[in-house]
Amino acid sequence: GAGVSQSPRYKVTKRGQDVALRCDPISGHVSLYWYRQALGQGPEFLTYFNYEAQQDKSGLPNDRFSAERPEGSISTLTIQRTEQRDSAMYRCASSLDTGGPLDTQYFGPGTRLTVL
Amino acid sequence: AQKITQTQPGMFVQEKEAVTLDCTYDTSDPSYGLFWYKQPSSGEMIFLIYQGSYDQQNATEGRYSLNFQKARKSANLVISASQLGDSAMYFCAMREGPSGGYQKVTFGIGTKLQVIP
Repeated sequence: GAGVSQSPRYKVTKRGQDVALRCDPISGHVSLYWYRQALGQGPEFLTYFNYEAQQDKSGLPNDRFSAERPEGSISTLTIQRTEQRDSAMYRCASSLDTGGPLDTQYFGPGTRLTVL
Repeated sequence: AQKITQTQPGMFVQEKEAVTLDCTYDTSDPSYGLFWYKQPSSGEMIFLIYQGSYDQQNATEGRYSLNFQKARKSANLVISASQLGDSAMYFCAMREGPSGGYQKVTFGIGTKLQVIP
């Protein structure tokens, strides 16, 4: 596609519910990243995929957070048993290459998650 | 220590004037990349400019230029001839790590730029 797309754009859920956030990267992009951005802050790294392999998940805050990219394209970030502190903008980014120094990430519009 | 430091929470600039947004970084890796992104009020993240650690010349992209001072570990963004549409949040970011493979990207906390007519 023309750019990175994410769905839903807005998600309101009740505490304790599970949510799944979807990212569709730019066609042909090998690398896919998930970030969380709190209001007034910069994006905070969550996890990274190279094709379908999750190569870095060091930023996932706890075991309620998981992500997959089964066919090396679309990715899903799942948050189980949501808590109010999970409320944030969740951003996906993709890049052409394997994450080296020349590799520019292009961001999707984000999903604004609100946990009531 | 913070990997990326942006010390200006907010900046004002007169339309058509130039403005410099500061960014300093901290790394011991010889190979790294520095990026600037723009985030308007709409929330999207727009890639502006990239500078590699081995680049000899400062990067330029239209009205954007990156003032790269390697010894000082600074990568300031210069916007020339500011326009009202430049009003936004600006993030500096760095990717670092062993060359030839995956490198994590770290973002600063951002600088909010407001262009005054």
